[in-house]
Amino acid sequence: SQTIHQWPATLVQPVGSPLSLECTVEGTSNPNLYWYRQAAGRGLQLLFYSVGIGQISSEVPQNLSASRPQDRQFILSSKKLLLSDSGFYLCAWSRDRVETDTQYFGPGTRLTVL
Amino acid sequence: AQSVSQHNHHVILSEAASLELGCNYSYGGTVNLFWYVQYPGQHLQLLLKYFSGDPLVKGIKGFEAEFIKSKFSFNLRKPSVQWSDTAEYFCAVNAKGGATNKLIFGTGTLLAVQP
Repeated sequence: SQTIHQWPATLVQPVGSPLSLECTVEGTSNPNLYWYRQAAGRGLQLLFYSVGIGQISSEVPQNLSASRPQDRQFILSSKKLLLSDSGFYLCAWSRDRVETDTQYFGPGTRLTVL
Repeated sequence: AQSVSQHNHHVILSEAASLELGCNYSYGGTVNLFWYVQYPGQHLQLLLKYFSGDPLVKGIKGFEAEFIKSKFSFNLRKPSVQWSDTAEYFCAVNAKGGATNKLIFGTGTLLAVQP
């Protein structure tokens, strides 16, 4: 069966510090991968998605970047965190890019920027 | 731009009460519709989805949702809730015919069922 992992589970970082959040998927190959963020009082917002190694699409301009160095690894990064980067970050995967395909979500990382 | 509205942010019900959570979307084209649920301590997971055909779809654990195209709505219902239905519920849409599986979520509804 497939599983998705995210770490760390929680993170408190000062403004201006770097960020690296990791997501890995097991039990499948060539998944589509997604990064979402939920800020306080807002819905889940798609930040990045990837259909393959090294292929990243950004949905909103922001202080964050994403990379996919391996087939089942998806990394969310920032060089300098802003207060507005605080939120709950969710990684998800789907078998295909087909619009009707179910997305499977990880446990999330709660990031607080102080 | 596409958007999803969930007007009920926090709902409190007693066991055996009926549930209806509202979801309205804004989009100029045809959409696919989803309800996801996050139980306490668990991952966000799919509850049900609608692509085409019968506008009344049934999901897991006795939930159902009805797509009303004229109202741009996809409300979630359950005739009799249980304490175990306590969770946060998210409505989501994506564009039919889109090249990628990109979901747009609502802000979520937190449901608390009292025993």
